[in-house]
Formats: sequence, C-alpha cells, structure tokens
Amino acid sequence: DAGVTQSPTHLIKTRGQHVTLRCSPISGHKSVSWYQQVLGQGPQFIFQYYEKEERGRGNFPDRFSARQFPNYSSELNVNALLLGDSALYLCASSLDVNYGYTFGSGTRLTVV
Amino acid sequence: QKEVEQNSGPLSVPEGAIASLNCTYSDRGSQSFFWYRQYSGKSPELIMSIYSNGDKEDGRFTAQLNKASQYVSLLIRDSQPSDSATYLCAVRRTAYGNKLVFGAGTILRVKS
Repeated sequence: DAGVTQSPTHLIKTRGQHVTLRCSPISGHKSVSWYQQVLGQGPQFIFQYYEKEERGRGNFPDRFSARQFPNYSSELNVNALLLGDSALYLCASSLDVNYGYTFGSGTRLTVV
Repeated sequence: QKEVEQNSGPLSVPEGAIASLNCTYSDRGSQSFFWYRQYSGKSPELIMSIYSNGDKEDGRFTAQLNKASQYVSLLIRDSQPSDSATYLCAVRRTAYGNKLVFGAGTILRVKS
C-alpha cells in the first residue's frame, strides 16, 4: 500500500510568491494534518482536517490556508512568502483524529 | 516553559548498550504520547505510542509513561549504529483539534 505521498519534494520560490503543496493520505485515512519543521526543531502544527472540515489551526498567520477534498487529499497554500517560511512541510494522515499519525516524506521549501 | 521538553543531546552510547531518552510535558490533561524517529533529511517515523501509565514494549523499544510526574521515556536495548537518529517526543493536545505537540528532539549517536 502506498504511504502518505506529498508533492513536490523540493521547491524554490522567491519572496512574495505563492506556493501550493499537495498531500495524498494513506487509503482509508480521513484525517490529514500539516506541520512545518525548521532545522533543529520539532514539527509545528499548522492545520488539521477531518472529513473535509477544519478541526484545528496552529499559530500561523492568515497567509497559510488549507483545504481537504472529497477524496481526502489536501492542499496547503502559503501566500506572500517570506524567507522565514523556508522549512520542511510535512503532511500526516491517520484513520481518525484519535489515532497515531503517519508522515509523508515532506516538501522542502526554500524561499530566496 | 515549553509544552514538551527534551534534552537536545547528542546522547552517545556504545553499540549494544541501552539508550535512554527522556521527555517531560506541561499539560497534565494530555492522554496520548508518541515517539518518532527522524533520520537526517527524512520525515519522522512513528516507532511507539503509549496511552496509559507503565511500560509498553515492542521489540528492542520500551516506552514508559508516568502521568503523575508528566514524564515519558524511551529505552532502546541493544543499540545499533542504525539507531543513530533524532528521536522526537510528541504529545497529543485534544483542545486544539488533536494536534501533536513535539519536543525539539534528542540526537542519539550509537558508536560501533
């Protein structure tokens, strides 16, 4: 079975641009969460979606938005990119919000 | 005070020894606890989950939970060089959409 898949794997953007990151959860998983991980730190929670509804939002500015589609895949959008948005963006899926999360391989975003 | 605290390390142990990794958390109401392993440049991989006080064993790994002391630990027996990685402790916070709050991680180095 395919694990959590994320695309693209690497991305270089210029300050002020917009980026869309994509995630496909493990088949049957209805919950998708997004995390940001900067070097030397643990992942920081950005969003959680379950059954296409937002169930939680972390302490990130409104430039960050996300959505979940009927097939449970998800997109993370970041507008007006800043240098500080450079990080590894991780998508995690789980059967239900109360289960352990499986992470995808991540998207490495570099803002120059 | 950080919500989840870990000693950043590095923790160096000889091959075959027991590695002991520790984590404390601040939210006394937390119910679910996880250990993730992260190799350099890779995404976190779930290795243990624990929900009740006591020990939980899985192969060479043992997770220990003491809710009264707000303390979680991970023991790795017969440590191998392939265990060298960053170990992330995560606590589920149900008040915010079941988000995981991660510590900054402990770097483990197993010397052969």
